[in-house]
Amino acid sequence: SQELEQSPQSLIVQEGKNLTINCTSSKTLYGLYWYKQKYGEGLIFLMMLQKGGEEKSHEKITAKLDEKKQQSSLHITASQPSHAGIYLCGAPNYGGSQGNLIFGKGTKLSVKP
Amino acid sequence: EPEVTQTPSHQVTQMGQEVILRCVPISNHLYFYWYRQILGQKVEFLVSFYNNEISEKSEIFDDQFSVERPDGSNFTLKIRSTKLEDSAMYFCASRGRGRYNEQFFGPGTRLTVL
Repeated sequence: SQELEQSPQSLIVQEGKNLTINCTSSKTLYGLYWYKQKYGEGLIFLMMLQKGGEEKSHEKITAKLDEKKQQSSLHITASQPSHAGIYLCGAPNYGGSQGNLIFGKGTKLSVKP
Repeated sequence: EPEVTQTPSHQVTQMGQEVILRCVPISNHLYFYWYRQILGQKVEFLVSFYNNEISEKSEIFDDQFSVERPDGSNFTLKIRSTKLEDSAMYFCASRGRGRYNEQFFGPGTRLTVL
């Protein structure tokens, strides 16, 4: 079965610093979703990548998909306390046909003011 | 901006009781999902629903679970006889056409089984 491995598991950065979170799949990626979750709350959609080499940005967050490496990275520039939370990557289940997602364990980000 | 809504936000029930979790997906979406997240663990897929029937389900989604779209807007998850291990956050999600369209999640229902 397909697994998504996220690294690091947790990250503490000083406000204003840049950071990168990685998500690696055990099988071919047919798309990759990034979500943000605050503890005990819902998943907020950040962006979706569909094609190898695709890169998307939203405000200070940029995500890339490297199909060959079966990996995606999420980069935050000039981090702010509002970026704190748990970042989850999700991918369409390799064997599924209806777009149901499997998820990584998440990366917990703390931003120190 | 359209969003997925869920009610209740928190449900406490006794073991063996039936619970119904409700969701209103985004209005023009066609695919509907339920996921759950046990505290401290990964978000796990339960079931997908399309064209008024279950299209896929995971091993977790056993005979104790059922889903319904009773009208044009609501999407429900029923757990017939709750167990302690059903305690979790349950998320509803929906997406539009195309297998890789954005999938939006609701805020979740926290189910506590005592």
